[in-house]
Amino acid sequence: GQQVMQIPQYQHVQEGEDFTTYCNSSTTLSNIQWYKQRPGGHPVFLIQLVKSGEVKKQKRLTFQFGEAKKNSSLHITATQTTDVGTYFCAGDSSNTGKLIFGQGTTLQVKP
Amino acid sequence: GAVVSQHPSRVICKSGTSVKIECRSLDFQATTMFWYRQFPKQSLMLMATSNEGSKATYEQGVEKDKFLINHASLTLSTLTVTSAHPEDSSFYICSARGTLEKLFFGSGTQLSVL
Repeated sequence: GQQVMQIPQYQHVQEGEDFTTYCNSSTTLSNIQWYKQRPGGHPVFLIQLVKSGEVKKQKRLTFQFGEAKKNSSLHITATQTTDVGTYFCAGDSSNTGKLIFGQGTTLQVKP
Repeated sequence: GAVVSQHPSRVICKSGTSVKIECRSLDFQATTMFWYRQFPKQSLMLMATSNEGSKATYEQGVEKDKFLINHASLTLSTLTVTSAHPEDSSFYICSARGTLEKLFFGSGTQLSVL
């Protein structure tokens, strides 16, 4: 079945350093979504990418969708302690809303 | 914005009892709802897809007789964990998809089976 791989599993950075998490799907995706989950909380929607090669920015966060629509990345510039949490990518291969989640990348930021 | 209400947020039950979790779309009609399970420090695993008025479609390895899903209306889907056991303890979360194809998540239910 469809698989979505995400790396790294954990990342510890010093505040102010950059951070990137990568996502790779075994199948071509209709769209890919990114979520952030804080400990004890539920996933919070960040963004959805639909077009091949799409790049979207939200303040210090930059999201990319690969040309083949099989991979994606989330890059955070100059991390802050508020960025702490687990970031999940989730792929939708059939545009039905059925999401297959990556394993998540847990970000720790040292002040 | 659209809101999905999930209830209860936390439940503790004895082994062998059944627990019902509700997922409601408050201001939109959800033709499709999804149920996920998340074990500690793990990712969300899709359990089943629920379409209003029809039987749910379960993912491989998910027991449909243990996890009963009902989607009787366009705003409500329920997940019943029957004869719960300690290994069923997990975070269960629903998501709902409206006509605009956007997806919204509930706040989740932490189930602890003693």
